[in-house]
Amino acid sequence: DTEVTQTPKHLVMGMTNKKSLKCEQHMGHRAMYWYKQKAKKPPELMFVYSYEKLSINESVPSRFSPECPNSSLLNLHLHALQPEDSALYLCASSQEGRGEGNEQFFGPGTRLTVL
Amino acid sequence: AQKVTQAQTEISVVEKEDVTLDCVYETRDTTYYLFWYKQPPSGELVFLIRRNSFDEQNEISGRYSWNFQKSTSSFNFTITASQVVDSAVYFCALSELYNQGGKLIFGQGTELSVKP
Repeated sequence: DTEVTQTPKHLVMGMTNKKSLKCEQHMGHRAMYWYKQKAKKPPELMFVYSYEKLSINESVPSRFSPECPNSSLLNLHLHALQPEDSALYLCASSQEGRGEGNEQFFGPGTRLTVL
Repeated sequence: AQKVTQAQTEISVVEKEDVTLDCVYETRDTTYYLFWYKQPPSGELVFLIRRNSFDEQNEISGRYSWNFQKSTSSFNFTITASQVVDSAVYFCALSELYNQGGKLIFGQGTELSVKP
């Protein structure tokens, strides 16, 4: 199984809502990532978890809260988002969280719209 | 500083033409990794290839080939006999061995449109 799954595919939320994005991989990978991608731009790294510990937070606002319940699951909790947070949110995983063996495999993304 | 430059923002070709996507990178590390990803309109980034800095062999996979030249810091991608299904945004990316978390530095992407 070489797949990263993400739910939901689409999400529309108001600025006062609380929602969560979910990501799952069953490749035995020990690093998982959240990216944000705006239209016509490359993905921007948000968070990295390595061995279930947060290893990188790219100065992301606290209205985004990541969680790694176990090595296969990664969540992104959303609260009090702004319309400019509307984007495609991509999850990825890799064997390790370093350069070596670091092909990252991406999920299909969640297209988020904040009204 | 690490940087990846994809100077071609958009390329349009007619089916069966060959097309080359350029990628130029900057890094101070001696050990690094280069990648190409494809992002079709559906949105998912599809991993195409990884190349290590110490392996300058070119690679061919079907209609795809990659030319890695350390002397010019380039890692170009050629699609031979392009097809409509090749239409996508292609990203070149760099990762450094000692970069915490294996962070990928992406280029801005090249949008390839293959017309029938």
